[in-house]
Amino acid sequence: GAGVSQSPSNKVTEKGKDVELRCDPISGHTALYWYRQSLGQGLEFLIYFQGNSAPDKSGLPSDRFSAERTGGSVSTLTIQRTQQEDSAVYLCASSLVRGGAKNIQYFGAGTRLSVL
Amino acid sequence: DQQVKQNSPSLSVQEGRISILNCDYTNSMFDYFLWYKKYPAEGPTFLISISSIKDKNEDGRFTVFLNKSAKHLSLHIVPSQPGDSAVYFCAASVIGPGGGADGLTFGKGTHLIIQP
Repeated sequence: GAGVSQSPSNKVTEKGKDVELRCDPISGHTALYWYRQSLGQGLEFLIYFQGNSAPDKSGLPSDRFSAERTGGSVSTLTIQRTQQEDSAVYLCASSLVRGGAKNIQYFGAGTRLSVL
Repeated sequence: DQQVKQNSPSLSVQEGRISILNCDYTNSMFDYFLWYKKYPAEGPTFLISISSIKDKNEDGRFTVFLNKSAKHLSLHIVPSQPGDSAVYFCAASVIGPGGGADGLTFGKGTHLIIQP
């Protein structure tokens, strides 16, 4: 597709369940990023991938969060044993390259996660 | 500890007038700055960026000004149009000598309302 695609667009789950969020970046983009936007807050950086390199996980809020990127393209963000404070919009972005003065990240529409 | 601050949660401007959105940052390592625009239920859309080696960048109706000594940047929109009504996020990153710029650090956003 032409843009970053995320699925599902909305996800409602019960506390304690695991969820998987998917991101399909723009074709040819080597860098992929996950962010979280809680209500009334700015975007919080979670993790990024550059090609097939090991990701920088330093932004993940707890060990219940994990992400992988298969084949340098599609990425999945997994949240285990969800808690109510995990409720947020999860946004994925991709950029052509990592770094440089043109690190313009293009965002998907996000997945709105609600933990009941 | 918020490294990027947008102190005005909302701003109302009359159509045709100039809109000025402000952003302050605390991390002196930031050397690349971006503005994103976000409509409800959509992901942020890149608007304009500026490198720390410049103090002004212009693109059509949008101009970004950077004052490094004050750690302040602003986005000017002139003339303002109804379609400009959206939430505007300021973001910053560190390019660094290795050319790496990873996750962006975002402000909380300013909701711009253009009144007819």
